[in-house]
Amino acid sequence: AQSVTQLDSQVPVFEEAPVELRCNYSSSVSVYLFWYVQYPNQGLQLLLKYLSGSTLVKGINGFEAEFNKSQTSFHLRKPSVHISDTAEYFCAVSNRNKLVFGAGTILRVKS
Amino acid sequence: GAGVSQSPRYKVTKRGQDVTLRCDPISSHATLYWYQQALGQGPEFLTYFNYEAQPDKSGLPSDRFSAERPEGSISTLTIQRTEQRDSAMYRCASSLGGVQETQYFGPGTRLLVL
Repeated sequence: AQSVTQLDSQVPVFEEAPVELRCNYSSSVSVYLFWYVQYPNQGLQLLLKYLSGSTLVKGINGFEAEFNKSQTSFHLRKPSVHISDTAEYFCAVSNRNKLVFGAGTILRVKS
Repeated sequence: GAGVSQSPRYKVTKRGQDVTLRCDPISSHATLYWYQQALGQGPEFLTYFNYEAQPDKSGLPSDRFSAERPEGSISTLTIQRTEQRDSAMYRCASSLGGVQETQYFGPGTRLLVL
């Protein structure tokens, strides 16, 4: 069965600094990969997804992620974060007709 | 509607009571998912619907949990004889269909069982 590991539960970073949120998955078959963001008191919102093709995926709000099949990773990056990026970020992998989510990473952007 | 809505937003109940949570998906969406999210964890799949059909309910924790979507639009999740361990955020999402499609999440229902 597929599983997702988000290696950091919290990532503090200063405003305008780069950030990487790590995600590793386990699967023996081809998968689709997703990053969702959850702002306080809101539902999850899709940032980006990898289905096929180019391994570098660009999403909303300046985020991007790179699919690495050999390392079974799908790390999320942003070159310069804003205070408004403070939120919880979830990596997810497809498993048949459903998604399996990681435990989440809280990104705290400090001024 | 414009997005996925859920009601109630908060529910406090006593152990042993039944609760029913409601999800109103985006009107054009064929597929509807229910997730349970414990504090500090990611959403965990409970069940999903394609229109009114329920192909997979493997994530429902026990037979106290049931869901339905009788007309292929609004869905309800019912928990009978609630237990304290049922306390969690319950999230609903809808999509056009297929796991590759974007899932649009509602704001969730926070359930507290005393």
